[in-house]
Amino acid sequence: NAGVTQTPKFRVLKTGQSMTLLCAQDMNHEYMYWYRQDPGMGLRLIHYSVGEGTTAKGEVPDGYNVSRLKKQNFLLGLESAAPSQTSVYFCASKKTENTEAFFGQGTRLTVV
Amino acid sequence: AQSVTQLGSHVSVSEGALVLLRCNYSSSVPPYLFWYVQYPNQGLQLLLKYTTGATLVKGINGFEAEFKKSETSFHLTKPSAHMSDAAEYFCAVFYSSASKIIFGSGTRLSIRP
Repeated sequence: NAGVTQTPKFRVLKTGQSMTLLCAQDMNHEYMYWYRQDPGMGLRLIHYSVGEGTTAKGEVPDGYNVSRLKKQNFLLGLESAAPSQTSVYFCASKKTENTEAFFGQGTRLTVV
Repeated sequence: AQSVTQLGSHVSVSEGALVLLRCNYSSSVPPYLFWYVQYPNQGLQLLLKYTTGATLVKGINGFEAEFKKSETSFHLTKPSAHMSDAAEYFCAVFYSSASKIIFGSGTRLSIRP
């Protein structure tokens, strides 16, 4: 049982480049979330999804886009990377409202 | 507004001492509450959760937390700290109205020998 898998684990981008982070879960969860973690700021919600084909904005959505075409996958896109997007990105999924979220191991992204 | 506040970005206790990490949230209805732990360069692991029922919940590694609706708090405690408890701890709240999970800013726990 793989749980929540994030790809890639590390990436260095140049300013202006684009990339897509993939989150895959094999637990048939409905809810999926993308967060960024920065020192002293905890985890801030970027975008989330409550089911296949749905997406919604979180606290810090600017500069990011997402898609949930398949229930098991939640993609986070950066169209034109900026140094301010240097961060560790975490994906999480949960089955129902009152269950806990399961987290991936994170993607460390550096934009130079 | 949906917000989660963790008082103290860094808490240091002696080994064997009581651990108390504070969490307050904003909500007009009882939310679902969680505590997670993060060890260096790892993802987040669930410590415990409150959904319904008993307001004192027990988790892994000897941690427990009490949901106090009147104080909108969900503080995390452990009677006797161990060196292995050194980590960062996050309080999280699931807001049903928006299906969002909002995290506090985290508390880094250090244990002195």
